[in-house]
Amino acid sequence: EVQLVESGGGLVQPGGSLRLSCAASGFTFSSYDMHWVRQATGKGLEWVSAIGTAGDTYYPGSVKGRFTISRENAKNSLYLQMNSLRAGDTAVYYCARGVRYFDLWGRGTLVTVSS
Amino acid sequence: DIQMTQSPSSLSASVGDRVTITCRASQSISSYLNWYQQKPGKAPKLLIYAASSLQSGVPSRFSGSGSGTDFTLTISSLQPEDFATYYCQQSYSTPPTFGPGTKVDIK
Repeated sequence: EVQLVESGGGLVQPGGSLRLSCAASGFTFSSYDMHWVRQATGKGLEWVSAIGTAGDTYYPGSVKGRFTISRENAKNSLYLQMNSLRAGDTAVYYCARGVRYFDLWGRGTLVTVSS
Repeated sequence: DIQMTQSPSSLSASVGDRVTITCRASQSISSYLNWYQQKPGKAPKLLIYAASSLQSGVPSRFSGSGSGTDFTLTISSLQPEDFATYYCQQSYSTPPTFGPGTKVDIK
């Protein structure tokens, strides 16, 4: 089955760190660009980061310098290292596949930043 | 960054109604516009890509049109399973950005 499964979410204090993982299956992971997209409760979708097949990475200004996306093709896995977390980073984090559009999404993992 | 707006922000409709949602970009994005459907507690689902191409497995009652800055998602005959929130997203430039969403609920 073609799927993405996120893990690693949880409760973290402001200023803390968390590492999210996304396990891919059912497709050739190394052939696809991959992304993280987040959604705060009751809010819209916000793109968080992307990594290309060559390992090139991209971030919006809101997380640049704090978040690091990486991939391990041998393990069909995508990661998001999140440092210096803020209350505003509280959201469900989805991994998603795609180049010009996101055609496969995971179910998401909840990250709560609170003291 | 390219800003995306959607109208209306919400609408109430009945089963069988024709529904139209509009998305506008703050600058021309050619046809690099995608539409997603999201139901409560679920991940978004791709409906339309490149403004008018129907994603595999998506019912033909969904259609998209437009280019440049103005785009439309149309549901030709609303079905019970279509009550959801719909988002547009531009893929013309990085960062990809989403519209604020349009919630379609039951009248």
